[in-house]
Amino acid sequence: GAVVSQHPSRVICKSGTSVKIECRSLDFQATTMFWYRQFPKKSLMLMATSNEGSKATYEQGVEKDKFLINHASLTLSTLTVTSAHPEDSSFYICSAGDPGAYNEQFFGPGTRLTVL
Amino acid sequence: GNSVTQMEGPVTLSEEAFLTINCTYTATGYPSLFWYVQYPGEGLQLLLKATKADDKGSNKGFEATYRKETTSFHLEKGSVQVSDSAVYFCAPGWDNQGGKLIFGQGTELSVKP
Repeated sequence: GAVVSQHPSRVICKSGTSVKIECRSLDFQATTMFWYRQFPKKSLMLMATSNEGSKATYEQGVEKDKFLINHASLTLSTLTVTSAHPEDSSFYICSAGDPGAYNEQFFGPGTRLTVL
Repeated sequence: GNSVTQMEGPVTLSEEAFLTINCTYTATGYPSLFWYVQYPGEGLQLLLKATKADDKGSNKGFEATYRKETTSFHLEKGSVQVSDSAVYFCAPGWDNQGGKLIFGQGTELSVKP
């Protein structure tokens, strides 16, 4: 199946700093990628839809100035957590839809963010 | 709005027991329905899917039927194995929205030998 990678897999940062997470589709082009946040009780919350070449679409309650999303190419979307605080600590997961497979979603392995 | 309700976990079963994980949803339009699985320490993987009413998705002994009249997509397996221990997620998805998925809260399954 298609492969989606995320980098870094784990990051620890100080409060107030910004962190960038990359999501890449390795063997297909994705016009649309999605960013999720996975909470300790295992649920995944959809944060935003990342659209190649245009602005991201954020879900209700997600601060777009806090979570900056850029989808500069058909294989790369980035999520930047700006001025991170301890409450932003979480597991962030991206997915990409393969247009050649009815937009079936393929998930990255996730990024564990810890803000001290 | 769109939402998914799954059976709360954790669910603990003995090997070879019958498994049912309930999933009901509210959704606009006509979504496809998916079950994803997350094994310990791994990313989400597609387990099975159904794209229209009355379709049955199946994979690795798991089955689920798209029930439009009850807006449900319950996951079943006749005989679970220890290797099935994982977290299972139910999700409707929309092809015409780039494959957007809305996840249920997940159900943790633990299978004991």
